[in-house]
Amino acid sequence: DQQVKQNSPSLSVQEGRISILNCDYTNSMFDYFLWYKKYPAEGPTFLISISSIKDKNEDGRFTVFLNKSAKHLSLHIVPSQPGDSAVYFCAASVDTNAGKSTFGDGTTLTVKP
Amino acid sequence: NAGVTQTPKFQVLKTGQSMTLQCAQDMNHEYMSWYRQDPGMGLRLIHYSVGAGITDQGEVPNGYNVSRSTTEDFPLRLLSAAPSQTSVYFCASSREQGMGSYGYTFGSGTRLTVV
Repeated sequence: DQQVKQNSPSLSVQEGRISILNCDYTNSMFDYFLWYKKYPAEGPTFLISISSIKDKNEDGRFTVFLNKSAKHLSLHIVPSQPGDSAVYFCAASVDTNAGKSTFGDGTTLTVKP
Repeated sequence: NAGVTQTPKFQVLKTGQSMTLQCAQDMNHEYMSWYRQDPGMGLRLIHYSVGAGITDQGEVPNGYNVSRSTTEDFPLRLLSAAPSQTSVYFCASSREQGMGSYGYTFGSGTRLTVV
């Protein structure tokens, strides 16, 4: 049973528009939710996170929204830039066992100039 | 500041061979983990460590061993390579406090092919 799901394998948006990447989870014990960005032939890099006690966290062009009742989170990128083209992974962890993060399968974002 | 260093970057093994993937970090992070990524899939946890001398299994531990004798190093050993272990392997580290907020720092990966 996959505990973290990213149902859209790919997303294509025009430069300057909003990109919305979605993630669903099943384990209500998750305390933290994180987004990572990955370019080809590189390791993932941490982008932004949100605690389960919050419903929104913002960092520059990136905002993550959490809907605990729906077990759903989303990453908004505004405005989207060609350099944002990458694979985005959603991950979740339980704070008391932080060495074990669970990842979704990723969404490939393409931002067209 | 090197961060997380993985060696080698590429490796081809024959079925049945053994090898060790190296991982070192210079950030004094307590937590270290090994993940594998197969095509079109997310990262799956193999083994992890919450400090020197302490390791535990992740989601897909079979066929792999780890040890953590120092804070800096966390090698992953493939005991008898199988084609199903063809994958990209990522080592990651994180600070103990606030890991949920700061996430992992990942290495650049080792691309392993077993023939």
